[in-house]
This record gives sequence, structure tokens and C-alpha cells, in this order.
Amino acid sequence: GNSVTQMEGPVTLSEEAFLTINCTYTATGYPSLFWYVQYPGEGLQLLLKATKADDKGSNKGFEATYRKETTSFHLEKGSVQVSDSAVYFCALSRRDSNYQLIWGAGTKLIIKP
Amino acid sequence: DAGITQSPRHKVTETGTPVTLRCHQTENHRYMYWYRQDPGHGLRLIHYSYGVKDTDKGEVSDGYSVSRSKTEDFLLTLESATSSQTSVYFCAQGTGDGELFFGEGSRLTVL
Repeated sequence: GNSVTQMEGPVTLSEEAFLTINCTYTATGYPSLFWYVQYPGEGLQLLLKATKADDKGSNKGFEATYRKETTSFHLEKGSVQVSDSAVYFCALSRRDSNYQLIWGAGTKLIIKP
Repeated sequence: DAGITQSPRHKVTETGTPVTLRCHQTENHRYMYWYRQDPGHGLRLIHYSYGVKDTDKGEVSDGYSVSRSKTEDFLLTLESATSSQTSVYFCAQGTGDGELFFGEGSRLTVL
């Protein structure tokens, strides 16, 4: 079946460090891939997405590339800020499952000044 | 601002009482969803709707019902609340391609 696996958190980094949060998926066909972010006390919001292999999604300095050969969609940022502290969720959707989202467990990111 | 609001934002109730959570959207999106979020379980889909009066079950639908009589409103009802339904509930609206816009959440405590 379809599934999404994220690296376990919390991930703790210093400000201006390089960030990678790993996400791998299992799915048949060609799913769309998403990263959502949840700031403390808020609902989730879409951070970036990619709909086909080799697409790169980007937003707010974050990037992720859809790698079909490694079934991965790792989230990266070159220089994190304290304001990036949040929980990050990787997800996939497939057209033949009515675009229902399959969610990863979430990775909590803590950035220290 | 995706134009989606939830009410109430916080509720404390007793076991066995009925509870209704309301989700209201102003974007005229066809798809709406109710999720619950619990520590150690991530996000779990309760019910979703793909149009007025068109709803379907998610992975944790037992003990919950929904109704959608208008495009803009999606109600989640707990007919007889239990302590296991203590959670944070999120409503979301979507375009049908996996991109969702979430409300700010409703924190429910069942004593």
C-alpha cells in the first residue's frame, strides 16, 4: 500500500545551519508529493509541492526535489532561522485514490539562536 | 488567508454528551475534510466530503458523523463523546489535487 516515512524528530539545529529532513515514500504510479508545515498553535499550511519526477518545489528558502529513482522527497534549507521552528509533514496523493493524502508522522524542528 | 474557520476553538464536555464542531469556508472549494491530531498518531482522516450531501468515511470514522448541506459548511458530530475522542480536530478544504488549506483547529476535551 501507499505510505510515507519521515525521519524521526526532534531535529535540533543552530541558527544558520543547513537543514535536511528526509522523506521517502511507497506508492504505485506517479503520486504528487507535498511538504506541509505546522507552527505552534496553528493548523497546517502547504509549504511546497511537486507533481512529477524531477520537479523541484520551493518556497520561503525551502526546497525539495521529487526523486522517483530513490522514491524520496527530502526537504532542505540552506540557512535556518529560529522562526523555522515547527513540525514538518511530508505527504503524497494519488489521482486513483481520489487524491486522498497519505501523511508522514511529522518531524519536529527546533532551531536554537 | 484561505478563508476557513472552525468553531468552537476550545470545548470541554462530559462523557456521553453530543458535540458538534463546525467548519465554514468562503472559497467555494468542493472538497472538505475533518482530521484529528494526536501525539504519536500524526494526522488521521475522520470523514471527508466531495460535494453537498456527498461524504465518505476516513480511517477513523467510528463514533463520528458528518453533514454537508451547503458548500460552505461541514459539520462533525460526536453523538456520544468518549474520553478517547479528546483531541485536536482540524478541518481542511481542498481543490481535489491534494493541496489542502487548514483551519486553526478545535481542541476538544472529554472528561
